[in-house]
Amino acid sequence: KAGVTQTPRYLIKTRGQQVTLSCSPISGHRSVSWYQQTPGQGLQFLFEYFSETQRNKGNFPGRFSGRQFSNSRSEMNVSTLELGDSALYLCASSLYGGNSYEQYFGPGTRLTVT
Amino acid sequence: QQQVKQSPQSLIVQKGGISIINCAYENTAFDYFPWYQQFPGKGPALLIAIRPDVSEKKEGRFTISFNKSAKQFSLHIMDSQPGDSATYFCAATTSGTYKYIFGTGTRLKVLA
Repeated sequence: KAGVTQTPRYLIKTRGQQVTLSCSPISGHRSVSWYQQTPGQGLQFLFEYFSETQRNKGNFPGRFSGRQFSNSRSEMNVSTLELGDSALYLCASSLYGGNSYEQYFGPGTRLTVT
Repeated sequence: QQQVKQSPQSLIVQKGGISIINCAYENTAFDYFPWYQQFPGKGPALLIAIRPDVSEKKEGRFTISFNKSAKQFSLHIMDSQPGDSATYFCAATTSGTYKYIFGTGTRLKVLA
């Protein structure tokens, strides 16, 4: 079974621009979560989607948004980029069915804002 | 109350030794505690997880010990190998929240 895929793997953007990252979950997984990973703050939860609905979100400004499509693929968008948005953005998928809470991460998208 | 405190920040162990990483939490609503391993340039990979109704879980060389009354859990890596050199994260979540809280990570180096 193919793992979680994220595209692109690397991005360089300029302050003030916007960016869209994409995530394809493991086949059969309907839950997709997004995390921001930085050396200073570690792994921080952005939001989680299931069946195209956002079920929870973290403490990030409204510039960070996401969506999920009917095929469970998800995108996250960051508008008006700031230097502090430079980070590794990780996507994780899960079945969240029955007693399964296991999350499986993709390789991440490395975003650099200059 | 949502934090998960992880220690140590870094750890150096000789090959064949035992690596121990500790995590502590405050939120008693947490009911699922996974550990992840991350290599440079890769996403975190699920290693092993435990629920609070179990005090210990073992998978191969990896063991989670869970102390519900102390609100602490730890990862033990037996017979540590140079290939285990990576960053390890503990995490916690509450059923129905779909949100994981991660520890700050422990950088493990196993010397050959």
